[in-house]
Amino acid sequence: DIQMTQSPSSLSASVGDRVTITCRASQSISSYLNWYQQKPGKAPKLLIYAASSLQSGVPSRFSGSGSGTDFTLTISSLQPEDFATYYCQQSYSTLPITFGQGTRLEIK
Amino acid sequence: QVQLQESGPGLVKPSGTLSLTCAVSGGSISSSNWWSWIRQPPGKGLEWIGEIYHSGSTNYNPSLKSRVTISVDKSKNQFSLKLSSVTAADTAVYYCARKVVSGWENAFDIWGQGTMVTVSS
Repeated sequence: DIQMTQSPSSLSASVGDRVTITCRASQSISSYLNWYQQKPGKAPKLLIYAASSLQSGVPSRFSGSGSGTDFTLTISSLQPEDFATYYCQQSYSTLPITFGQGTRLEIK
Repeated sequence: QVQLQESGPGLVKPSGTLSLTCAVSGGSISSSNWWSWIRQPPGKGLEWIGEIYHSGSTNYNPSLKSRVTISVDKSKNQFSLKLSSVTAADTAVYYCARKVVSGWENAFDIWGQGTMVTVSS
């Protein structure tokens, strides 16, 4: 299995802050990396696919970068609605598809 | 606008079989997408269970493969999950999701709302 490790596991920040979340794969996954946002009691929502492509309808303050094994999700200016849990997911190998453990973004 | 809706029992007895269905509306299950099941134990992260293509081709998580069957019913525009020999560790919110595969895009772009399944006697 390809292991996905996110850091930090939790993060406190304020509205307006710039925030970066990191995801590391246990082997190279090229750019087959997606980011999701999940709010309590809701299904995950796709934010970024192919490491850096913004999903339709997602605000431009979200951006992704990286390739190979190291990836980042950046929120340029945190808004109140951005406080949630974020997951990375690799789609390089289907057997199995794997997610990071999640990063919980909380209000400071 | 494609929408997914899970349905099935919310309570399953230990050693029994968990059965869920995902109804696809606003689009065809025979489109060029894969259809997946993903679960999330309470307070924990996401685990991919498996996926199916409209042709019937499947991929399963090796950790669950011996207990999982995913099937498709094109006439009803839905797909289903069966998980056998369940234990309390299978208690989770179960999501169905569409995986779009197009060029570099290979991601779960549409999700159902999720359904909570508890394994308990």
